[in-house]
Amino acid sequence: QKEVEQNSGPLSVPEGAIASLNCTYSDRGSQSFFWYRQYSGKSPELIMSIYSNGDKEDGRFTAQLNKASQYVSLLIRDSQPSDSATYLCAVTGGDTGFQKLVFGTGTRLLVSP
Amino acid sequence: GAGVSQSPSNKVTEKGKDVELRCDPISGHTALYWYRQSLGQGLEFLIYFQGNSAPDKSGLPSDRFSAERTGGSVSTLTIQRTQQEDSAVYLCASSLRGTSGASTDTQYFGPGTRLTVL
Repeated sequence: QKEVEQNSGPLSVPEGAIASLNCTYSDRGSQSFFWYRQYSGKSPELIMSIYSNGDKEDGRFTAQLNKASQYVSLLIRDSQPSDSATYLCAVTGGDTGFQKLVFGTGTRLLVSP
Repeated sequence: GAGVSQSPSNKVTEKGKDVELRCDPISGHTALYWYRQSLGQGLEFLIYFQGNSAPDKSGLPSDRFSAERTGGSVSTLTIQRTQQEDSAVYLCASSLRGTSGASTDTQYFGPGTRLTVL
């Protein structure tokens, strides 16, 4: 079992729709959770971090964390074609410690005009 | 200020040769990380520096891989006797403080070095 799992996609949504990206993790001791966006050929860029159960909103982005179920999700409202990218979920804490991010393989999002 | 920079951006080498990859972190960032991203794989942690010391080098895949950091700034990742399976994008990241207790600073990534071993 991978430590951090994501559906590879692609997830296709029309412009203006809500895109929902999901991530599950295996280490119940994980403490910090991050969503990175990576455009093709570019480096990852942090878009959201979340540390407590519940929702955290930032503009069109909402991160949701449920530690009991060991999942974290990212909602993108009013999706734009410019949101088309690979979204990487990353966690720290637990057995792997806090020094490194453990990444999922990413979900590719395609937003069609 | 400037972000994380890496050089070279692309490196093509022959199997068995040694390569050096360089990372310049954001000025003032004390923590530096190396990851690699292979085709179809997630980012894989290699090593973490706090200042010039490496408290976690658990991700280095073999003893052909080594890294150092000098002056609390520039870091070099060296791969000796490269193999085809070393082909990947090597990403460097830096953060202001690194870890502090039970928290992790935001890591900012450089553009990466694409290594191709023929």
